[in-house]
Amino acid sequence: DADVTQTPRNRITKTGKRIMLECSQTKGHDRMYWYRQDPGLGLRLIYYSFDVKDINKGEISDGYSVSRQAQAKFSLSLESAIPNQTALYFCATSDPPGQGAKHGYTFGSGTRLTVV
Amino acid sequence: ELKVEQNPLFLSMQEGKNYTIYCNYSTTSDRLYWYRQDPGKSLESLFVLLSNGAVKQEGRLMASLDTKARLSTLHITAAVHDLSATYFCAVDRAFGNEKLTFGTGTRLTIIP
Repeated sequence: DADVTQTPRNRITKTGKRIMLECSQTKGHDRMYWYRQDPGLGLRLIYYSFDVKDINKGEISDGYSVSRQAQAKFSLSLESAIPNQTALYFCATSDPPGQGAKHGYTFGSGTRLTVV
Repeated sequence: ELKVEQNPLFLSMQEGKNYTIYCNYSTTSDRLYWYRQDPGKSLESLFVLLSNGAVKQEGRLMASLDTKARLSTLHITAAVHDLSATYFCAVDRAFGNEKLTFGTGTRLTIIP
């Protein structure tokens, strides 16, 4: 099984619908992230969580919300989907601090979301 | 605000040639990462660079870091078709503030 699992892999939804993207991890990491990828823009941070009780907005949080149900689970919701939220979404975890050059991030396989 | 710029955005090169991708970042960061992404796939970690002058090599790829210039390079030697992918650089801070800021990516196409 993958260390970071995202569901669904692909989703088409209609404008105005509420949709949830789910992420679960078996790494045992406290730190989890949601990124959005658009062509020519790289990956941009939506929300991040350093532990179950710590949720922080990233650079593009408007229109999104998150829930950290447990250490292993971090969900991203689009309350009312709009077409410009069509993108590839990645969940990631990271090693604990203090790892120096051995620090790493583990990415899920991504969820391709299309809003029509 | 931290910004990470990569260039070029697109790169088409012939097999056997050498080329370099550049990554500049605007403010002090602690680590510099290089990732590879194949179409529709996740990100694969290539290198993590920490200190000024750091150089790491894996096969035909070599990454270096100049923290004073806030510049990292990814050098491709004698390119082969299998290296066709999108390459991203990203930076983060350590000591409790770990979150990646990405460059725009470089789409590399190796032509036989």
